Amino acid sequence: AQSVAQPEDQVNVAEGNPLTVKCTYSVSGNPYLFWYVQYPNRGLQFLLKYITGDNLVKGSYGFEAEFNKSQTSFHLKKPSALVSDSALYFCAVRDMRDDKIIFGKGTRLHILP
Amino acid sequence: NAGVMQNPRHLVRRRGQEARLRCSPMKGHSHVYWYRQLPEEGLKFMVYLQKENIIDESGMPKERFSAEFPKEGPSILRIQQVVRGDSAAYFCASSPNLRGDEQYFGPGTRLTVT
Repeated sequence: AQSVAQPEDQVNVAEGNPLTVKCTYSVSGNPYLFWYVQYPNRGLQFLLKYITGDNLVKGSYGFEAEFNKSQTSFHLKKPSALVSDSALYFCAVRDMRDDKIIFGKGTRLHILP
Repeated sequence: NAGVMQNPRHLVRRRGQEARLRCSPMKGHSHVYWYRQLPEEGLKFMVYLQKENIIDESGMPKERFSAEFPKEGPSILRIQQVVRGDSAAYFCASSPNLRGDEQYFGPGTRLTVT
């Protein structure tokens, strides 16, 4: 069965510093991987996805993520954090042979001014 | 192009009543997904539907919960005889055909059972 893990409930980063939000996954076949962001009292917004090709994926708001097959990871990164990046971030995985997307528990990102 | 629409945004029901949550997918999207989010928890998949078909309902509780996506009109998530434990945010998402496509989420319906 497919699964996704976000090992950190919360990440604190000073504004202007680089940030990383971790995600590891487990699927039987090849994965589709996604990152979403949720602001308070809102639905999830798509940030970026990995389907195939280049392991480094660039997305919205300056975010990027690196697919690492050997470590089964898909960490979200940004070179310089903004206070407005503070939100709840979800990693998600879909097995190519399945229709269901599985979401991680989420990581709350706090950017400190 | 309007996004995914959900209504109502907030719904209060007393124990034993029925709750009906509606979701209109984005134009051109034929796939609808329902998720439940409890406070301080992630999203739990409930059901995946296409027009007039339930594709995967493995996340739906066996009793009291049902979903449909008719040929015309919005998708409906129906909870009969609500209990306090049903209080949560319910999100709908839609996507086009391809499995690699991302999902677009609605703003959610926050159900409170008193």
